[in-house]
Amino acid sequence: DQQVKQNSPSLSVQEGRISILNCDYTNSMFDYFLWYKKYPAEGPTFLISISSIKDKNEDGRFTVFLNKSAKHLSLHIVPSQPGDSAVYFCAASASQYGGSQGNLIFGKGTKLSVKP
Amino acid sequence: DTGVSQDPRHKITKRGQNVTFRCDPISEHNRLYWYRQTLGQGPEFLTYFQNEAQLEKSRLLSDRFSAERPKGSFSTLEIQRTEQGDSAMYLCASSLTGSKIQYFGAGTRLSVL
Repeated sequence: DQQVKQNSPSLSVQEGRISILNCDYTNSMFDYFLWYKKYPAEGPTFLISISSIKDKNEDGRFTVFLNKSAKHLSLHIVPSQPGDSAVYFCAASASQYGGSQGNLIFGKGTKLSVKP
Repeated sequence: DTGVSQDPRHKITKRGQNVTFRCDPISEHNRLYWYRQTLGQGPEFLTYFQNEAQLEKSRLLSDRFSAERPKGSFSTLEIQRTEQGDSAMYLCASSLTGSKIQYFGAGTRLSVL
């Protein structure tokens, strides 16, 4: 079963508008969440992260919100730019997860298209 | 460029052949991870090293797969007797102990014919 879910395979947004990418998780042991961006033929690039002790983290145009009670996080990009067009992966990590020391559990990704 | 480096970028092989991939992590990173990504999926964890010690293996890592990190620097991932189902992107990542942020290489795309 998928422990990290990105239910929207794709999202199309107009340049300058806000992009909101969503992610749900099922495992309450997850205590750290990350967003990665992936361009074709490249590896995932770290974007922004948030610890479970926070509910918001901001870095320039990117903000991640965490709602622990709903087991939901979202990535907001504002304003969106054409160069933001990529696949965005949500990932989660647990300090103690079946003995794991921090391997990441990824969602399937959301393909964002920002139209000029 | 001091990022994670993977070689080769692409590998085409015939079913039944053995293949080996190499990963060079960011130099000061002591943790190294291998993931596999197939079409339409996110990366899936295979195994990871703390220095030269292999500390965890996923159930995805069948007996045909073996990974090494002999001197705690670069790592190799070998697949023996490849099958068509092994076709995927193999990603390597590295991190510092205590950091949960992993930095990925560009990956090795394996095609098994």
